[in-house]
Amino acid sequence: GQNIDQPTEMTATEGAIVQINCTYQTSGFNGLFWYQQHAGEAPTFLSYNVLDGLEEKGRFSSFLSRSKGYSYLLLKELQMKDSASYLCAVKDSNYQLIWGAGTKLIIKP
Amino acid sequence: GAVVSQHPSWVICKSGTSVKIECRSLDFQATTMFWYRQFPKQSLMLMATSNEGSKATYEQGVEKDKFLINHASLTLSTLTVTSAHPEDSSFYICSLAGQGDTEAFFGQGTRLTVV
Repeated sequence: GQNIDQPTEMTATEGAIVQINCTYQTSGFNGLFWYQQHAGEAPTFLSYNVLDGLEEKGRFSSFLSRSKGYSYLLLKELQMKDSASYLCAVKDSNYQLIWGAGTKLIIKP
Repeated sequence: GAVVSQHPSWVICKSGTSVKIECRSLDFQATTMFWYRQFPKQSLMLMATSNEGSKATYEQGVEKDKFLINHASLTLSTLTVTSAHPEDSSFYICSLAGQGDTEAFFGQGTRLTVV
């Protein structure tokens, strides 16, 4: 079966750096996405990786290793507004998005 | 990127009634739309894939007679929850994500509460 694993919850301090890991086992691979979702709202797009390596976008960076089935989302200079759930999703061979359960990130002052 | 408008954003209905949720693509012709359901503290679960001009493809365990999907045009897909029950209370979200897209575009979501 298809499976995406990410930690259920993480806590970090305002101003610090946090890394959220995601491992996946899917039938085929056509890209990996990271989304941010605040409670009661639709997910908002953060990043997309299809090739190995690091993609940097402001305070957020995303890394992909296809051989290891592994990705991480790195958030720098954490702000209180970054408190949210972070969803990892993989597009499989049928171009269908397979979603992880999400990581709830709690930011403390 | 594509803009997706979903309506209503929230709805409360009585048990046994039906509720229709609309998802419109405002600037993009969407041949395929995806309908998700999300229970509290859980991930997005794909319910069905809506295909313009043809029948929707439902995921295993999703009752097609209960969750009616209509995709009559390239810009509108609707999800109707028929004979709603309290256990249908959830967050329903539509999405566009073409094969070549590097982003999935989401509607605002609909919070359904069945009382």
